[in-house]
Amino acid sequence: NAGVTQTPKFRVLKTGQSMTLLCAQDMNHEYMYWYRQDPGMGLRLIHYSVGEGTTAKGEVPDGYNVSRLKKQNFLLGLESAAPSQTSVYFCASSYYNRATGELFFGEGSRLTVL
Amino acid sequence: GENVEQHPSTLSVQEGDSAVIKCTYSDSASNYFPWYKQELGKGPQLIIDIRSNVGEKKDQRIAVTLNKTAKHFSLHITETQPEDSAVYFCAASKGGGADGLTFGKGTHLIIQP
Repeated sequence: NAGVTQTPKFRVLKTGQSMTLLCAQDMNHEYMYWYRQDPGMGLRLIHYSVGEGTTAKGEVPDGYNVSRLKKQNFLLGLESAAPSQTSVYFCASSYYNRATGELFFGEGSRLTVL
Repeated sequence: GENVEQHPSTLSVQEGDSAVIKCTYSDSASNYFPWYKQELGKGPQLIIDIRSNVGEKKDQRIAVTLNKTAKHFSLHITETQPEDSAVYFCAASKGGGADGLTFGKGTHLIIQP
């Protein structure tokens, strides 16, 4: 059982380049999330999805776009990368069960923008 | 919105001693308080959580306490072991679920041999 899988695990971009991070989960979860983790800042929510075909903005959505075309996949896109987007990105998923609440995280994708 | 403060940012304890990490939250409507552990190079993993109708919850060597009046909650780890070394995050939510979860900035726990 793979859980939550993120690709790629590492990427280096030049300012202005674009890229897409892929998140896949095999637990049939309704909710999926993208977080970024920066030193001393904890985990900040970028975008999330409550089901296939739906997305919503989180705390720090600027400069990112997302899509949830299939229930098991959640894509995070950077159209024009900036050095401020250098971070470790985590995807997470959870059951559509407001009494449970557990987030299942991937192992992260480290992005460096030069 | 919700604001979660976590202290200390770094905590070093001798192996076998206890460790306590404290968090405060701002929104009195928050009712779900999980703790996540992040090992080096891994994603965070839920280790324990508590809901507002409970004051304390234990799971082997870890426990969480909640004081709703003071709006703070704490993680207690007893008989610390080397594998407890990690970054710990507290979080708070008023939705009873994963959406709307606000994380603290994390505590780096170091277990000294």
